[in-house]
Amino acid sequence: DTGVSQDPRHKITKRGQNVTFRCDPISEHNRLYWYRQTLGQGPEFLTYFQNEAQLEKSRLLSDRFSAERPKGSFSTLEIQRTEQGDSAMYLCASSPNAGTYEQYFGPGTRLTVT
Amino acid sequence: KNEVEQSPQNLTAQEGEFITINCSYSVGISALHWLQQHPGGGIVSLFMLSSGKKKHGRLIATINIQEKHSSLHITASHPRDSAVYICAVNVSHRGSTLGRLYFGRGTQLTVWP
Repeated sequence: DTGVSQDPRHKITKRGQNVTFRCDPISEHNRLYWYRQTLGQGPEFLTYFQNEAQLEKSRLLSDRFSAERPKGSFSTLEIQRTEQGDSAMYLCASSPNAGTYEQYFGPGTRLTVT
Repeated sequence: KNEVEQSPQNLTAQEGEFITINCSYSVGISALHWLQQHPGGGIVSLFMLSSGKKKHGRLIATINIQEKHSSLHITASHPRDSAVYICAVNVSHRGSTLGRLYFGRGTQLTVWP
């Protein structure tokens, strides 16, 4: 079991560019969560999947953000037309099933928009 | 207003001191988590509890459901304990548990040798 992995670990992009992040959850974890953390703050919920179904999206997830989990395994989070306010740590977490509250976090992707 | 409030926001201690970090929440919960975050971002789960008290090594977590309050204690603190400690909850809503976590802002702990 290799844990939750995220790629890339760091991304620097210019304002207006599109970026895509990937999360590979622990195998057979059917719940996958995306959170965003800005400097000095706790993480905030963005969206979550149970298998391939996206069950909830935060109001933070504007129409520039889209997330997918096409085969119920890895997930991608895309940000279109990035803005400086998108600079943050993007965290992915996975959980075994609906009856378990514990979440296992990946190392995060730090996005800097210049 | 955030559903989860932590205090203090920053904490500095000398090696060996007893540390307490507090967490209060304003919603019904199914579980409360204490998490540790080191520079670089990775988050590790320390405790998950829904009642009473748990102990792991030098770390102790307690929760009072009636008062909606939890504490994380570190005995005999060490410089390697320096990290951000985050309180998070699973909210209970209409008899079911929301899978997503609600987080406090975190407490930056620095332990000096």
